[in-house]
Amino acid sequence: KAGVTQTPRYLIKTRGQQVTLSCSPISGHRSVSWYQQTPGQGLQFLFEYFSETQRNKGNFPGRFSGRQFSNSRSEMNVSTLELGDSALYLCASSHPGQPNTEAFFGQGTRLTVV
Amino acid sequence: LAKTTQPISMDSYEGQEVNITCSHNNIATNDYITWYQQFPSQGPRFIIQGYKTKVTNEVASLFIPADRKSSTLSLPRVSLSDTAVYYCLVGEAAGNKLTFGGGTRVLVKP
Repeated sequence: KAGVTQTPRYLIKTRGQQVTLSCSPISGHRSVSWYQQTPGQGLQFLFEYFSETQRNKGNFPGRFSGRQFSNSRSEMNVSTLELGDSALYLCASSHPGQPNTEAFFGQGTRLTVV
Repeated sequence: LAKTTQPISMDSYEGQEVNITCSHNNIATNDYITWYQQFPSQGPRFIIQGYKTKVTNEVASLFIPADRKSSTLSLPRVSLSDTAVYYCLVGEAAGNKLTFGGGTRVLVKP
């Protein structure tokens, strides 16, 4: 079956702009989580959506937001971009609530803010 | 969430066995131990998960002592393509909210 698909793969934006990243989970997976990866901070959890509702949230400012659609596809938005938002943004899908579940990650979107 | 401590880096040679130990002194009763592998510019990939004793799959083995305060990921007969960062995670079994530590950068040399 198809894996987690993230679009676009690469993005260059200017400070102050906003950006929207997209994630299509594995078919049947209803939980979608987002992560930010930077050389300095490593992999950090942003938020998780399940059945179109944000269920968990990491410690990021309100400029970072997301949503999930009825088909489980998810988007995350970053407004008023800062240079420090340059990172690899990863999306993962999983079956929550089942024992021994694993998260399936996409290849990520590399965002560069200039 | 239980904090994990693992070596920053390890070097090995092709064909050798690599063992990465992770400490998690504050592991809770409901916590599982999960390992992920990540190659540069790719998302992490699930390797193995366990609760106690030993778990083995086609890729690796996971050894967990009775007190569960540490665990060891064993990669048998590594190849150059096993060069990656390996993350030890401790938490509930669901994969929807993962807390990653710094990981162990494994370099396999020819």
